[in-house]
Amino acid sequence: DAGITQSPRHKVTETGTPVTLRCHQTENHRYMYWYRQDPGHGLRLIHYSYGVKDTDKGEVSDGYSVSRSKTEDFLLTLESATSSQTSVYFCAISAGGGYTFGSGTRLTVV
Amino acid sequence: KNEVEQSPQNLTAQEGEFITINCSYSVGISALHWLQQHPGGGIVSLFMLSSGKKKHGRLIATINIQEKHSSLHITASHPRDSAVYICAVTGSDTGNQFYFGTGTSLTVIP
Repeated sequence: DAGITQSPRHKVTETGTPVTLRCHQTENHRYMYWYRQDPGHGLRLIHYSYGVKDTDKGEVSDGYSVSRSKTEDFLLTLESATSSQTSVYFCAISAGGGYTFGSGTRLTVV
Repeated sequence: KNEVEQSPQNLTAQEGEFITINCSYSVGISALHWLQQHPGGGIVSLFMLSSGKKKHGRLIATINIQEKHSSLHITASHPRDSAVYICAVTGSDTGNQFYFGTGTSLTVIP
């Protein structure tokens, strides 16, 4: 979607290294979300934000942190990547009851 | 415990067949969403509905609030309909957070 972009699209990293994924929106929406998608689990909420510097944990937040210093950017950080964090990560924004998803980031931790 | 259950998990159909994917949920909702994800692709919102029925091209979505059930129908299916279809609900008391089903993988054979 033109209003939300994720970077990088693909990343391979080594166990124990820090990784930051970026979500950028041009829509000025208040709510932003980070999900991970794994086979058999569907989409699971990691963290979400309801405004600048306002964030909260989702159901699978362990090992992840987030920051939102500007309305348009929501960063997801894996402080010390583990193989269990190999997944596809989706950012989403919420407005008018609907969701718009980013294109996803495929992260592989080796 | 899954707040949203979909069936079937996998579905194979011949081109031209009428397809139905079902979604049941156990929470009070303010809206239900049907999403589409093509292999290796992003997630696109197809429908958002809170009552009755919506139609877009060959796709029809219905919801029965009393029975906590929704169906997604595809008429005259085509190979390009092959994708994962995801049901999601916005809980009526969870703000902007979604609950997601694990998806139905549809393959339409020419």
